[in-house]
Amino acid sequence: GQSLEQPSEVTAVEGAIVQINCTYQTSGFYGLSWYQQHDGGAPTFLSYNGLDGLEETGRFSSFLSRSDSYGYLLLQELQMKDSASYFCAVRGTGGGNKLTFGTGTQLKVEL
Amino acid sequence: DGGITQSPKYLFRKEGQNVTLSCEQNLNHDAMYWYRQDPGQGLRLIYYSQIVNDFQKGDIAEGYSVSREKKESFPLTVTSAQKNPTAFYLCASSIRGQNTEAFFGQGTRLTVV
Repeated sequence: GQSLEQPSEVTAVEGAIVQINCTYQTSGFYGLSWYQQHDGGAPTFLSYNGLDGLEETGRFSSFLSRSDSYGYLLLQELQMKDSASYFCAVRGTGGGNKLTFGTGTQLKVEL
Repeated sequence: DGGITQSPKYLFRKEGQNVTLSCEQNLNHDAMYWYRQDPGQGLRLIYYSQIVNDFQKGDIAEGYSVSREKKESFPLTVTSAQKNPTAFYLCASSIRGQNTEAFFGQGTRLTVV
């Protein structure tokens, strides 16, 4: 099976850089994804890492290291609207294409 | 517009009653998923389906049932056997594949009264 652990809460100031970590235990997966969810809303896709290394999409970057069973989401130039919950997720290689999410990190951006 | 629709947005149920949550998508996606989210918690997988007439239990399937008779539809029934059904329920769909994005509905908030 899969389990993905994240810090429960991170606080940062507007304009700063913040890193949200994800450590995982999995029997096999295709890659690591990240999703954003505002309070009461639907999660939306942010990024995907199929290979080790850094992927950059605007202010957001995501990193994966399979040898360390670790990934992170990096948010730069933080804005108030970035206050939300962030989830890492993996799609298992076993039958069924199971999509498992992490425990989630609530990011609070302050002035 | 293509999308995934959940209904109703809010649902109240008396203890001991079964209730069915609707999830419909017009994205032509093969894969569909049901998640449960409790306050301040992550998304826990209830059931998932990769093709019509086939579905598999997720991590917390006890007390829930699903069907997948049509590609577009994946309804979830919360049965009276579910001991703590009050939660936010999210449905998602995706094409099958390694790095495909999952699209979520707006969720149904179920409260047992």
